Formats: sequence, structure tokens, C-alpha cells
Amino acid sequence: TQLLEQSPQFLSIQEGENLTVYCNSSSVFSSLQWYRQEPGEGPVLLVTVVTGGEVKKLKRLTFQFGDARKDSSLHITAAQPGDTGLYLCAGGKAGKLIFGQGTTLQVKP
Amino acid sequence: EAGVAQSPRYKIIEKRQSVAFWCNPISGHATLYWYQQILGQGPKLLIQFQNNGVVDDSQLPKDRFSAERLKGVDSTLKIQPAKLEDSAVYLCASSSWGGAEKLFFGSGTQLSVL
Repeated sequence: TQLLEQSPQFLSIQEGENLTVYCNSSSVFSSLQWYRQEPGEGPVLLVTVVTGGEVKKLKRLTFQFGDARKDSSLHITAAQPGDTGLYLCAGGKAGKLIFGQGTTLQVKP
Repeated sequence: EAGVAQSPRYKIIEKRQSVAFWCNPISGHATLYWYQQILGQGPKLLIQFQNNGVVDDSQLPKDRFSAERLKGVDSTLKIQPAKLEDSAVYLCASSSWGGAEKLFFGSGTQLSVL
């Protein structure tokens, strides 16, 4: 059973389009992190959200933590080919980090 | 600041053989993690060390996998004997104190079991 469900699993879009990736769970998390992973590399942390309803922006990326701290979303505005990669959400629970299965994003020029 | 170092980058073995992976975390990081990432999936925690003690190894297949961190610094993960389903990327990560805070990952070791 996947504790964190990400959707969609795959996304292929054209440069300049907007997109949203979702991370959902039936469990409450103390924190929620988003990582980006490129082929042949380890995941790199993008952001951590800890407060229900929290919104954080990182250039063209907007991250939101759900009010009940069970879900999160990542919105990318005007996607660029450099945004291509695997996006992973990870929930903090009892001192452990649990990863979702990831969303593979391909942005075509 | 040097990142998390892992070796080898790639390993190809036949089933039933043994293999070992090495990880050197960021200097001063007390917590070290080994994750298994199967193609198309998110990382799955195998084992977590706090200094040289095991915090969590509930998902480590102990009949074939073993890991150690003898001096609380670098770590070795071993598989013996390997199975086809062990083909995956093995990621090592470290963090400064062991809560679910920022993890720094190495580039991983890609294992292919034939």
C-alpha cells in the first residue's frame, strides 16, 4: 500500500505550459518535502512545508501544503525544458521520511 | 562542502553473486540512510543509522541484505546472494540530526542483476 500517492505518474507537455502535480495521503504528516531527481543523480530537495495551508514559492514553482497536512501540490508556471525530471514528494512521520512514487515530467522545447 | 560520496556508480552481477556498496556521508552528519529505488518508483528506506547504531531496519530483507557503519562515518551495504528483483539504484543519504528534515543524497549505485 502506497502511503503517499502522486498524480499524474507521467506528464509530457510543451514549453510554456503550466502544470500541477499532486501528492495525496490519508495520513497526517508533520512536514512535506518536494524533491527533484535527474537521471543518474540522487534527489535534490526543493522545498519543505510544515504548516497546514502553507504556500511557498521558488521562482516559477509554487508549493502548497493542505490545511489538514495530508496532501500537497506543486504548480509550475511556464514550464521550461530544464524542468524535466522526476518530482518526488516525501512526508515526514515519526522521524522518518516516506516517499511517493514520483511524477516524471517531460517538457518539450 | 563535499557531498555524499558513493561507489561504485554501476555494478553488473549475476544472480546468486554477492555485491557491496560504499557510502561516505557529508562530514559531521550523524544520520545515514540507505534507500532502494526501483525504476519508476520512489526511494524505499532500507536502513537508517544514527551514528553507528541502527534506528530503523524494518524494511531491510535481512536474509540477504546487511549494512554496517562501524565508526559512525562511512557505511557499507551488502547483498548476498543477489536476486533478479534486487536490480535497482541504491541511494545513500545523510542528514545532520535524524529528524525528517533535509536529506542530502549521493548519486547512487545502479545495480543490474542478470
